[in-house]
Amino acid sequence: GQSLEQPSEVTAVEGAIVQINCTYQTSGFYGLSWYQQHDGGAPTFLSYNALDGLEETGRFSSFLSRSDSYGYLLLQELQMKDSASYFCAHDQPDNAGNMLTFGGGTRLMVKP
Amino acid sequence: EAQVTQNPRYLITVTGKKLTVTCSQNMNHEYMSWYRQDPGLGLRQIYYSMNVEVTDKGDVPEGYKVSRKEKRNFPLILESPSPNQTSLYFCASSLTPGQGIAEQYFGPGTRLTVT
Repeated sequence: GQSLEQPSEVTAVEGAIVQINCTYQTSGFYGLSWYQQHDGGAPTFLSYNALDGLEETGRFSSFLSRSDSYGYLLLQELQMKDSASYFCAHDQPDNAGNMLTFGGGTRLMVKP
Repeated sequence: EAQVTQNPRYLITVTGKKLTVTCSQNMNHEYMSWYRQDPGLGLRQIYYSMNVEVTDKGDVPEGYKVSRKEKRNFPLILESPSPNQTSLYFCASSLTPGQGIAEQYFGPGTRLTVT
């Protein structure tokens, strides 16, 4: 199974706030990143947490707590265009460099 | 324009016929990687490369080969494709500031069907 777990689907209304959680069982990774992917498109980078705490970028914020083995992506003032899949990922030291592992993704549906 | 390009974008082939998917980036990134995406499984890393001539296996390397002879190119080779390699493939690149891989830039994807 996935070493990073995310809810498969989340539904919210326009203008609301939604939190997408990501739990993991790994230790010793460099950081937790988040990507957005619209249907038919490529993933695009949203944020990266190297340290514990909150990172804010406009309407999107991301949080990491290594002691609790989880992170989350917070989307505020939801817009219809935020309907997409969201993936968390961590990068770990490996033989020849950094290995990336992604969660299974959360499909966010924003309703009017 | 800073970008990652992949070719072809769509490919239908038959079992056993060797194929190569090319990937090129124009951002002088050290780190490059290949992923496959299957429904419900997210993105799974196939191979990655920290720099020229430095490559290593990701989570699902079986049936794939890569090479990194130049910094900008990172082709994915399927020597003998099988139907279970039918998938959507993404190439990505990133700088490697410090230790972590933060922002990856993804190519547009290659949809491969093996019959």
